Amino acid sequence: QKEVEQNSGPLSVPEGAIASLNCTYSDRGSQSFFWYRQYSGKSPELIMFIYSNGDKEDGRFTAQLNKASQYVSLLIRDSQPSDSATYLCAVNTGFQKLVFGTGTRLLVSP
Amino acid sequence: DVKVTQSSRYLVKRTGEKVFLECVQDMDHENMFWYRQDPGLGLRLIYFSYDVKMKEKGDIPEGYSVSREKKERFSLILESASTNQTSMYLCASSTLTGTGSYNEQFFGPGTRLTVL
Repeated sequence: QKEVEQNSGPLSVPEGAIASLNCTYSDRGSQSFFWYRQYSGKSPELIMFIYSNGDKEDGRFTAQLNKASQYVSLLIRDSQPSDSATYLCAVNTGFQKLVFGTGTRLLVSP
Repeated sequence: DVKVTQSSRYLVKRTGEKVFLECVQDMDHENMFWYRQDPGLGLRLIYFSYDVKMKEKGDIPEGYSVSREKKERFSLILESASTNQTSMYLCASSTLTGTGSYNEQFFGPGTRLTVL
């Protein structure tokens, strides 16, 4: 069983809408959670991270954690075509390593 | 800003060749990682290192080895390249944290390796 699961998508939303991306994880002891954005042909770049103690908002991005159900979500408000990318969820499983999901492809249409 | 650089953006090699991929980071990070990324399979950890001359196998170490002689440099070696090693290779680094609860990884630009 994969430790971090994401729907591969694509998730299609119109410009200006809210995009909701989700990720489930299997290790209940995970303490920190990361969202990376990866444009086609580029390397992943971190856009958000949260600890197990709460949600986080940064501009148009909000990361939320549901520990009871073991999922993490990323909300993108006022989606822009430039947000079109693959979003990778990553979970810290201890000893300095991250486990990555396979990513959700987001398409924002003008 | 953290900078992670990789020696090549694109590389074409022949089956059986020994291939070296180099990664350098300039932020004095203790941890360094090598991943490969393939469509539908996501990022898979090959090897990582948390100190000079230290290395740990990741999920898919077969056919690969690594070297870390200096803190800033982490090399991935394909002993005898095969066509199934055609992939995007990504290097990353992160700082060592006491509790291990937070360790954002910074990625290099990637090397797209084709083995013919």
